[in-house]
Amino acid sequence: DAGITQSPRHKVTETGTPVTLRCHQTENHRYMYWYRQDPGHGLRLIHYSYGVKDTDKGEVSDGYSVSRSKTEDFLLTLESATSSQTSVYFCAISGTGGLSGYTFGSGTRLTVV
Amino acid sequence: GENVEQHPSTLSVQEGDSAVIKCTYSDSASNYFPWYKQELGKRPQLIIDIRSNVGEKKDQRIAVTLNKTAKHFSLHITETQPEDSAVYFCAASIIQGAQKLVFGQGTRLTINP
Repeated sequence: DAGITQSPRHKVTETGTPVTLRCHQTENHRYMYWYRQDPGHGLRLIHYSYGVKDTDKGEVSDGYSVSRSKTEDFLLTLESATSSQTSVYFCAISGTGGLSGYTFGSGTRLTVV
Repeated sequence: GENVEQHPSTLSVQEGDSAVIKCTYSDSASNYFPWYKQELGKRPQLIIDIRSNVGEKKDQRIAVTLNKTAKHFSLHITETQPEDSAVYFCAASIIQGAQKLVFGQGTRLTINP
């Protein structure tokens, strides 16, 4: 499938612990995004990146941070996980100019207990 | 910011009939409108998209129409088949570097044999 992978696929963590999700692409795309998917809310943008070390906030960024030290990797960190962050997290990539839409990763199901 | 509303939230149709899903958006500057299909437990996948300089686009059994004046766009699926059962998401964005798609809440489409 498309050259984008997420890890881990599933994770259960305790409230208050830090969690890092990884997104890795082999497409050399400039733009990378993190979304969360919750019933009744569709997909909501958390953070996005427009280049190495260039990131910005999305609609629901509180409690999350990101880093992009290489073109191919985009990390999402929950500094201190809360139960409200239980969700499915999707990473996406897009090329220059939005000519081809997003390609999504397979998602990470995160449960905070 | 942009807000996208999608209706209905669930839709059930007989196999062979047509299905229509509607979305409205709020930001008149939005110029890119993709539709994604998400099967159970899978990643969202782009099925069709339209830009604001086009009123309608077709791809086999699916079509999308756009009314810029009314700020709404619709997905039409004809001759529905069981494999069309999925959750469908509309989205809107401005093509200007990073896409930053804003998604609707999703429509669960069920095709009854």
